[in-house]
Amino acid sequence: EDKVVQSPLSLVVHEGDTVTLNCSYEVTNFRSLLWYKQEKKAPTFLFMLTSSGIEKKSGRLSSILDKKELFSILNITATQTGDSAIYLCAVEVVSGGGADGLTFGKGTHLIIQP
Amino acid sequence: DTGVSQDPRHKITKRGQNVTFRCDPISEHNRLYWYRQTLGQGPEFLTYFQNEAQLEKSRLLSDRFSAERPKGSFSTLEIQRTEQGDSAMYLCASSPIQGGYQPQHFGDGTRLSIL
Repeated sequence: EDKVVQSPLSLVVHEGDTVTLNCSYEVTNFRSLLWYKQEKKAPTFLFMLTSSGIEKKSGRLSSILDKKELFSILNITATQTGDSAIYLCAVEVVSGGGADGLTFGKGTHLIIQP
Repeated sequence: DTGVSQDPRHKITKRGQNVTFRCDPISEHNRLYWYRQTLGQGPEFLTYFQNEAQLEKSRLLSDRFSAERPKGSFSTLEIQRTEQGDSAMYLCASSPIQGGYQPQHFGDGTRLSIL
């Protein structure tokens, strides 16, 4: 059974701190790993990672994938209160139909205190 | 806004009733996915369509759950004889096939409450 494990499950830091969120996975036929940010509504897409060692960046957020050790990290520097959200890690596998639904972790609930 | 649209946003119903949710994907997105999310958990994959073909439905939670996408555009998810355990957020996502591999984009979901 495909499995995605995120840690920590919750994290409280002060504004301006840097945080690192972890995601490890055990799946067959790995295709990609995705990070989403979920506030009160829809998960919004952050990054999609398919190759090891290539960092993806968007402003203060960055992410990298290690396909040998089967994990990914999401870094947020100079955190702001608007970064408070649940961060979801998901893995997609290749199936006979070419693509399949995502397998999600439970998420990391990040709270940024002013 | 041309994002994924879901209707209704909230549904409250009594146990035993049937409910149907609608999802309108982003225009020209061939793939459409349904997920269920309960409190404290990540979304759980239920089923997906490529155009009008339902390519994966073994993950639907029971035979009370069914989904359709008759013309390859909008989709409906139906739950028959609802139970209290069906209370959850039901999310829809879509993605294109063309233009290389693209991530799934989610709608705001339908929150179902069973009394």
